[in-house]
Amino acid sequence: EPEVTQTPSHQVTQMGQEVILRCVPISNHLYFYWYRQILGQKVEFLVSFYNNEISEKSEIFDDQFSVERPDGSNFTLKIRSTKLEDSAMYFCASSRTSNTEAFFGQGTRLTVV
Amino acid sequence: AQSVAQPEDQVNVAEGNPLTVKCTYSVSGNPYLFWYVQYPNRGLQFLLKYITGDNLVKGSYGFEAEFNKSQTSFHLKKPSALVSDSALYFCAVRAGFNKFYFGSGTKLNVKP
Repeated sequence: EPEVTQTPSHQVTQMGQEVILRCVPISNHLYFYWYRQILGQKVEFLVSFYNNEISEKSEIFDDQFSVERPDGSNFTLKIRSTKLEDSAMYFCASSRTSNTEAFFGQGTRLTVV
Repeated sequence: AQSVAQPEDQVNVAEGNPLTVKCTYSVSGNPYLFWYVQYPNRGLQFLLKYITGDNLVKGSYGFEAEFNKSQTSFHLKKPSALVSDSALYFCAVRAGFNKFYFGSGTKLNVKP
């Protein structure tokens, strides 16, 4: 069964450093998303991506964040200068169409120290 | 504004008993509703969805959910709970062009 894969599973970084979280969505999906979940809290929408551009983003997704689909398979989330409050589980997801369910990866646990 | 509410932080049920995890929603237009389950240190797994059609939708692992338009609810149910059903359950609504709003989650504890 096809699945969304994310790497790394755990990333520890120093405050102020740049991190790139990587995702390989399901191959025939057209819509891509990043969500985050701070420990014990709800799952929060960050950004959605379609047709090689951002289609929606939340207020969390400020200038420190960017997304890219550098080739036909990868979808990345970059945080330019990490802050302590960026520590969270980051989930990538993809969906085939705009009104079907999204499939989520296992997540990358980002710890900023 | 689109939103979902899960009024219970935690639901406790004995194995073999029926379970219900509650969800209410607020959307403009037709709701696209989803349930996801999250096991410890894992991602979100899709359980079921309501887009249109029958109000009772069936999903994975014996779960089902009932869409009630008048009560704006989409409660998750299972006739007979298993210990292995213990997990965190999220209700979600699709909003806008392509994003999901998630509820705060309900922790389901099934005791043997």
